[in-house]
Amino acid sequence: GNSVTQMEGPVTLSEEAFLTINCTYTATGYPSLFWYVQYPGEGLQLLLKATKADDKGSNKGFEATYRKETTSFHLEKGSVQVSDSAVYFCALGGQAGTALIFGKGTTLSVSS
Amino acid sequence: DADVTQTPRNRITKTGKRIMLECSQTKGHDRMYWYRQDPGLGLRLIYYSFDVKDINKGEISDGYSVSRQAQAKFSLSLESAIPNQTALYFCATSDFNSGSQETQYFGPGTRLLVL
Repeated sequence: GNSVTQMEGPVTLSEEAFLTINCTYTATGYPSLFWYVQYPGEGLQLLLKATKADDKGSNKGFEATYRKETTSFHLEKGSVQVSDSAVYFCALGGQAGTALIFGKGTTLSVSS
Repeated sequence: DADVTQTPRNRITKTGKRIMLECSQTKGHDRMYWYRQDPGLGLRLIYYSFDVKDINKGEISDGYSVSRQAQAKFSLSLESAIPNQTALYFCATSDFNSGSQETQYFGPGTRLLVL
């Protein structure tokens, strides 16, 4: 079945450092891919998404490109801020419109 | 006002008690979901509903039941709570009729502690 694997955290960075959080997937067909972010004490919010191969999703300085050849959707940001500290979830669109399949989440801590 | 609300936000209960978690949405979405979040395990799907007459089990439905009382309301029940149901519970919605029906919108969560 479909699945998502994302790098385990926590990831600890200094402000203005470059961020990569790896996400790979296993799926039949061509599902949509998502990154959600969970700030402390809050629910999940959609950060960005891509619906087909080679699409690049971007938002708030974050980017991720849907790579079919490597079955990956890595999240990147060129210069992180303290306010980016959160848990990041990679997710895969389910088959036949069923619910999303989430990775286990990666905790990012950014210090000033 | 929040589009997806959950009540209560925090709940402490005892083993064997029946409890209900409620979710309401004002987004007009047809699809609703219940997840639980545990440290190191991410989010796992409990139940989902594509409309009022459609209820589906998710990955971890044992010990839970749901009711879709109306398009805007989807409640989760623990018939006889046990300690390993201690978790953070999230409700989410999505809109089949939009061009991005898989995008889900989450409530703020209910933190449940079963003693």
